[in-house]
Amino acid sequence: AQTVTQSQPEMSVQEAETVTLSCTYDTSESDYYLFWYKQPPSRQMILVIRQEAYKQQNATENRFSVNFQKAAKSFSLKISDSQLGDAAMYFCAYRSALNDMRFGAGTRLTVKP
Amino acid sequence: EAQVTQNPRYLITVTGKKLTVTCSQNMNHEYMSWYRQDPGLGLRQIYYSMNVEVTDKGDVPEGYKVSRKEKRNFPLILESPSPNQTSLYFCASSRLFRAGYNEQFFGPGTRLTVL
Repeated sequence: AQTVTQSQPEMSVQEAETVTLSCTYDTSESDYYLFWYKQPPSRQMILVIRQEAYKQQNATENRFSVNFQKAAKSFSLKISDSQLGDAAMYFCAYRSALNDMRFGAGTRLTVKP
Repeated sequence: EAQVTQNPRYLITVTGKKLTVTCSQNMNHEYMSWYRQDPGLGLRQIYYSMNVEVTDKGDVPEGYKVSRKEKRNFPLILESPSPNQTSLYFCASSRLFRAGYNEQFFGPGTRLTVL
């Protein structure tokens, strides 16, 4: 079964700096999607960015970008110019072609003013 | 407005008293899913459905039931709740994997406490 591992339970970053959150996954499939979700204190799950496995180009969304290393099964999230509103729990997620979903345990990001 | 709704948002109940958490989406999504979120464990999939009358077990289905009689609704049923089912529950919907853009849209969550 696929597993998703986030090895950093907590991270902190200074406002305006850059931070990278790590995610690794284990799968034998070649076709899948990867996602980063943000969960602020409101508990709402908000999609940050997604990556299709068959696309080599790393996805970017404004200040958010990923480093997708398919062979290494690594999917890290880089947040540039960190803002106070970026403080939240971040979850890495994997969606298989069979439509089941796996989430990592999460990384709590603190942004220091 | 495109959304996934869940009710109730908060529920405190006692062991053994059957309960249902409703979930409804207005985006005509084929795929719907239930998750529970526990500290240090992230979100774990309970059940999912790819179409009406089609449901599949996720990672933690024990103690839960679901049904998909209509495309828009996907209720979660706890026939005999136990304290270890105290958790934060999310319903989500999306298009199917092969349908292209398949972001999951999440409901606001239901905080369940079983005493």
